[in-house]
Amino acid sequence: DTAVSQTPKYLVTQMGNDKSIKCEQNLGHDTMYWYKQDSKKFLKIMFSYNNKELIINETVPNRFSPKSPDKAHLNLHINSLELGDSAVYFCASSQAGGFQPQHFGDGTRLSIL
Amino acid sequence: SQQGEEDPQALSIQEGENATMNCSYKTSINNLQWYRQNSGRGLVHLILIRSNEREKHSGRLRVTLDTSKKSSSLLITASRAADTASYFCAFTGGGNKLTFGTGTQLKVEL
Repeated sequence: DTAVSQTPKYLVTQMGNDKSIKCEQNLGHDTMYWYKQDSKKFLKIMFSYNNKELIINETVPNRFSPKSPDKAHLNLHINSLELGDSAVYFCASSQAGGFQPQHFGDGTRLSIL
Repeated sequence: SQQGEEDPQALSIQEGENATMNCSYKTSINNLQWYRQNSGRGLVHLILIRSNEREKHSGRLRVTLDTSKKSSSLLITASRAADTASYFCAFTGGGNKLTFGTGTQLKVEL
């Protein structure tokens, strides 16, 4: 059983397009996250939601818009894709609280042509 | 930058040897965690050590934390080829926000 699943696994698209990545967790966790991992494997938090409420919003271009329809889902929509958006995007979830381990999906590799 | 720094960046050892990775950070922390990332996969949580703890063990893993030096180390004993992966430290200063280190790429050769 997949705990944190994100789709699609690969996304290849043209500059200027709009795309979405979906994430679902079946762990019953209250908190979900989006991370961006660049080509040097540097991992940075983008957003975090707790029970559908945005609690972390790092310095991310407003072309990126997260949406949480319920606490088991956190989607990421990206408008007007740019070359610099090419990266691997990871969804994660955890129980609320800073001492909780986070569970990651296997990532969505986004390539902008 | 508040990012954690890890060294070495890359480590290559023979199966059966021990592997040690180090993490340094600049802020006050509540806890420090270590994660493993296999190629093409997501991160997997390995171990968490709280700021008031100095050492923790889990199977072949041993983690130390020195808050006075703002550093942590991860020791993998009797390494196996399956331990080949990237290892990241991550820490929280409060709340849910995890800040990750730069990672160590470990290769264990047969």
